[in-house]
Amino acid sequence: SAVISQKPSRDICQRGTSLTIQCQVDSQVTMMFWYRQQPGQSLTLIATANQGSEATYESGFVIDKFPISRPNLTFSTLTVSNMSPEDSSIYLCSVEPPSYNEQFFGPGTRLTVL
Amino acid sequence: GENVGLHLPTLSVQEGDNSIINCAYSNSASDYFIWYKQESGKGPQFIIDIRSNMDKRQGQRVTVLLNKTVKHLSLQIAATQPGDSAVYFCAEMANNQGGKLIFGQGTELSVKP
Repeated sequence: SAVISQKPSRDICQRGTSLTIQCQVDSQVTMMFWYRQQPGQSLTLIATANQGSEATYESGFVIDKFPISRPNLTFSTLTVSNMSPEDSSIYLCSVEPPSYNEQFFGPGTRLTVL
Repeated sequence: GENVGLHLPTLSVQEGDNSIINCAYSNSASDYFIWYKQESGKGPQFIIDIRSNMDKRQGQRVTVLLNKTVKHLSLQIAATQPGDSAVYFCAEMANNQGGKLIFGQGTELSVKP
């Protein structure tokens, strides 16, 4: 399996500011994903962040709003830019380790924007 | 776009009873399905998966059934325990989608002692 940590675990931010969320994995993985989970709702994929290539964004999500870095095989960051209250959500990263068919999820970052 | 949806948003059962959580999917190209359990304040946790070449798969106290004819997926939990209380999500993946999971709506399971 894979052990995933995220920082921060939660934050309260002011409108118009930006927050960078970190995702650290205890093993090297090629495939990493970022999801958003709005209050009381399901998970929606934001982007796929594979090492060695630019992140691929899903419909409705753009790089200017959610820039992603993937500097190596164990780490990624997601930035939520120019935040508004509508960005209040849980942000989760997940990985699919080699030889596994399943994705493992981090504990999530709970973001509240005032 | 394609959707994976759930029939029941909430489910309340007595401890010891069996639970059945249902999910409908619409993408006929999906060939891999997963059930996740999400407890409060945590990320989703893998429960069980099934590929489209199977109709049924059993784990410890859990069984997943897949009906491709009607595009329906179910999760059965035997002898439900209070620790099973959580939100359960189904997710689907198509073989040509590079690992992208599409999640269903979610069902909140509440187990009464």
